[in-house]
Formats: sequence, structure tokens, C-alpha cells
Amino acid sequence: QLQLQESGPGLVKPSETLSLTCTVSGGSISSSNYYWGWIRQPPGKGLEWIGSIYYSGSTYYNPSLTSRVTISVDTSKNQFSLKLTSVTAADTAVYYCARIWRSSGLALDYWGQGTLVTVSS
Amino acid sequence: EIVLTQSPGTLSLSPGERATLSCRASQSVSSSYLAWYQQKPGQAPRLLIYGASSRATGIPDRFSGSGSGTDFTLTISRLEPEDFAVYYCQQYGSSLFTFGPGTKVNIK
Repeated sequence: QLQLQESGPGLVKPSETLSLTCTVSGGSISSSNYYWGWIRQPPGKGLEWIGSIYYSGSTYYNPSLTSRVTISVDTSKNQFSLKLTSVTAADTAVYYCARIWRSSGLALDYWGQGTLVTVSS
Repeated sequence: EIVLTQSPGTLSLSPGERATLSCRASQSVSSSYLAWYQQKPGQAPRLLIYGASSRATGIPDRFSGSGSGTDFTLTISRLEPEDFAVYYCQQYGSSLFTFGPGTKVNIK
């Protein structure tokens, strides 16, 4: 059974960089059938796609975040990572990683449990 | 960027009733790239429907999706107690993913 697990600091200071890692188990991140993505959800609000990556390293970012976001992949560790720079309180959210299934019209078929990141001094 | 609008914002129904949730896009969406998710409090979203009408693995057949172009519908034929949750539609187009704001299905 595929599992995704987010990890990283739960508290980040304003203007600093938010860094999260998603570890994939039970399947290979190098499969050509999937992309991998980050999605966030501010408390009490809806879902926002941050960006996606293919195992080859090709990336796609939300235009509203592209100047601050970097997503990378480490196939040797079966992990992919998110960096979001110059964070503010507006970046406080639950951050999810997810698998994006190419054969399903790019639906997000497996999700991590999510990790709450709070931006505060 | 394609904007998704969901209606109603909140739906109050009783167990056993039929739920009809709407998702409208600001421009035409390929049916192949329209999905629906269920989210319960404190949990990650769960994929219900992909390709506008295909049920994901393990999803009961009381959930069905339909629609094309700019108008899509998620129908729950008979609400079970575990179906009370928030439902999101999502589309992919022009290398972007967007989600609708969600419909909350409440117990009446």
C-alpha cells in the first residue's frame, strides 16, 4: 500500500524559508505513471495547488507562488521536497503531498496525512 | 486560469436523501481532467471521482459524477452517515491545477 509522509518544521519565522519533505513508501517515485505534488490548505479554508514534479525533475508551479517556490526530487531516497521562501502569516496552512496519477486525468489519488506549518515569530 | 465555482456552499440533508453538488468552470474543461474529492475534518482529501465520471478504487457506487464542458455534477444517491463532509472539485488545464471552494454537506 502506497504511503506518503510529510516532514519538516511546524513553525517558521516570517521572512524565512519553509522546507518540507515527502517520503514515499510502498511504491517508486521513479515510476513514469505519476507526478508528485504539493497542496496546501489554510485553516478553515479550501485547497490550493502549490506545484508538481516528475521523477525526471520537470516542475510546474502555481503562478501565484512561482517566484517563491522550488520543488525538487531525490529518487535515491524516494522523496520529493518543497521550499517556499520569504514566508508570511498568509503561508500558514496544512501542507499535503500527493501522488498525481497520469492515467486518471491527473487526479490526486494518494495523499499524505498533512502537516501544519505555522508562520509566526 | 480556469476558476471553479461550487454550489451550493452548504447542503443540509438527512441520511438516506439524495445529494446533488454542482461544479461550474469559468471556461471549458476537458472531462478527462475533472475530479471530485471528499474531505472530513482533520483528514486529507480522498479521491472519489476522476475523469468526471469514473469512480476511484473502493468508492461506493452511491457516488456518481457527470457533466461536460463547464458544468459538472457529483451525486450521492442515498446519504450514509459517513458521507457528511466537504466535497471539492478539481481540474487540470494549461499545466495548472485548480480546486473549487468546496460544498459542505451537513446533517439536517
